[in-house]
Amino acid sequence: DIQMTQSPSFLSASIGDRVTITCRASQNINIYLNWYQHKPGKAPQLLIFAASSLQSGVPSRFSGSGSGTDFTLTISSLQPEDFATYYCQQSYTTPRTFGQGTRVDLK
Amino acid sequence: QVLLQESGPGLVKPSETLSLTCSVSGASMRNYYWTWIRQSPGKGLEWIGYIYHNGNSKYNPSLKGRATIFIDTSNNQFSLRVLSVTAADSAIYYCARDIPRGVNWLDPWGQGILVTVSS
Repeated sequence: DIQMTQSPSFLSASIGDRVTITCRASQNINIYLNWYQHKPGKAPQLLIFAASSLQSGVPSRFSGSGSGTDFTLTISSLQPEDFATYYCQQSYTTPRTFGQGTRVDLK
Repeated sequence: QVLLQESGPGLVKPSETLSLTCSVSGASMRNYYWTWIRQSPGKGLEWIGYIYHNGNSKYNPSLKGRATIFIDTSNNQFSLRVLSVTAADSAIYYCARDIPRGVNWLDPWGQGILVTVSS
């Protein structure tokens, strides 16, 4: 299986901060990388697909970059509704695998 | 708007079979992969498997052959069955649509259903 490693696991930030989350794959996955936002009790939401494509309806403060094994999710200016857990996921092969998650909390 | 909704029992006894259904509204089931994912307490997301509209399916080897996904396109739903459950199968179970466009991605997801394995 392809292992996905996110860092950090936990992040404390303030409104307006620039936030960066990284995801590393255990092998080359090209751009087969997606990012999701998950709030407790809600359905996870797709933010970014194919490493850098913004899903329709997602605010432009979210962006993704990277290819191969190293990827980044950036929130340019953190908003109150952005406090959540973020997951990366590879779709290069099955079984699909996810990072362990990055929880973003209010400082 | 495409919506997915999980349903099924919230409590299953050890060694019995877990059965869940995902109802799909707002979209045809054709040309997509229909997926089950779970999240055990305090743990990350685990992909269980998917089924294509034609019935082809793939599963995570971690479930050791205990999981099967079925599809009923005439009623716009798909189902998960997990045999011989143990406490380790206690989790929130999500259904999701896997969109194949070169790169695949999951959108949308259901809200999830909590399943507890306990006697």
